[in-house]
Amino acid sequence: QSALTQPASVSGSPGQSITISCTGTSSDVGGYNYVSWYQQHPGKAPKLVIYDVTNRPSGVPDRFSGSKSANTASLTISGLQADDEADYYCNSYTSIGTLLFGGGTKLTVL
Amino acid sequence: EVQLVESGGGLVQPGGSLRLSCGASGLTFRSYWMHWVRQGPGKGLVWVSRINHDGRTINYADSVKGRFTISRDNVKNALYLQMNSLRVEDTSVYYCASSGDYAPGLGYWGQGTLVTVSS
Repeated sequence: QSALTQPASVSGSPGQSITISCTGTSSDVGGYNYVSWYQQHPGKAPKLVIYDVTNRPSGVPDRFSGSKSANTASLTISGLQADDEADYYCNSYTSIGTLLFGGGTKLTVL
Repeated sequence: EVQLVESGGGLVQPGGSLRLSCGASGLTFRSYWMHWVRQGPGKGLVWVSRINHDGRTINYADSVKGRFTISRDNVKNALYLQMNSLRVEDTSVYYCASSGDYAPGLGYWGQGTLVTVSS
């Protein structure tokens, strides 16, 4: 299976909002409400920031939000902060019982 | 606090085998799906395999099917990945992850163990 499609990079200034898209197919993103998002700082393990499309684990600020329309999911980060600079990956459950990651998006806070 | 600690990585020749382990603490290990995820040098995350709470349901990515075997020991709170017929392209940091209450999401991650396949 091919990776989900994410933009390679996005950027924004402190305080602004950014949105990262994640495009799949009806066999993954579009077929289930099982999209999750991960934040990864350099040299660190990934951290779950959104699960089941819209839900935040405890401890994740409400500046992070998720949504989905058809085969495309989105992660929005509002009120950008310097520490938000990281790589972000989407992930979806698939119709054959596997999971599939996106290629990753590098967020730069200007 | 949930802790996942991987071990068993190292340097192996193409065609060789390696067994990774992941020890878990701070969570009810026997209740949750467990996963292996890898990340090649400078590359993105790639899901490898998952196993359900009792080991009866297992899934693999196509790239490792037939070569890798995931297993778990709910008495030892341990997850394993037996990797056979290793290829240069299997070189990656391998992360152990638990879904926790976020299945099929991956709520908890280890720090990873590096596997290098090279002659």
